[in-house]
Amino acid sequence: KAGVTQTPRYLIKTRGQQVTLSCSPISGHRSVSWYQQTPGQGLQFLFEYFSETQRNKGNFPGRFSGRQFSNSRSEMNVSTLELGDSALYLCASRGSPASGNPSAETQYFGPGTRLLVL
Amino acid sequence: AQSVTQPDIHITVSEGASLELRCNYSYGATPYLFWYVQSPGQGLQLLLKYFSGDTLVQGIKGFEAEFKRSQSSFNLRKPSVHWSDAAEYFCAVGDRIQGAQKLVFGQGTRLTINP
Repeated sequence: KAGVTQTPRYLIKTRGQQVTLSCSPISGHRSVSWYQQTPGQGLQFLFEYFSETQRNKGNFPGRFSGRQFSNSRSEMNVSTLELGDSALYLCASRGSPASGNPSAETQYFGPGTRLLVL
Repeated sequence: AQSVTQPDIHITVSEGASLELRCNYSYGATPYLFWYVQSPGQGLQLLLKYFSGDTLVQGIKGFEAEFKRSQSSFNLRKPSVHWSDAAEYFCAVGDRIQGAQKLVFGQGTRLTINP
């Protein structure tokens, strides 16, 4: 099975621009979570999508948004970029939660998208 | 609120020596527990996980971890490290009741291997 894929791998943007990152989950996985990783704050949860619905959201401003498509692929968007948005953005997929199978709760991560805001 | 503490920011060990990375969590009940490893510029790779049952769990690359409920700990161990184990290691917890869609991570422990 192919793993989680993320595109693009690297991005350079300037302040005020917006950016869209894409994540394709492992085949058959229906839940996608997004995380931001920075040296100062570490790994922080952004949001999670399951069956095209956002089910959980972390403590990030409204500039950070996302969506999920019917094929479980997900995108996240950051508008009005700030210097502090420079980070590695990771997405993770897992199986069908609430299936009664604890292994479905395991998140598998993609390689990440490295965003640099100048 | 859930929290995870990895007390050691940076550890250096010699190749062939044993390794133990510490992880303590604060949570109302026993959460799902995970260890991930991250090589420079890469994503996170799952090493092992604990859901229930035997408190000593085996993972990939020769790693194991022991869950100790009384100490709220989930320490990672390896009997003999290899140079390729140099990386950053993250302990994470997930909510057992609401589902593990949101993982809470420790700050990570960077492992350096001396030849």
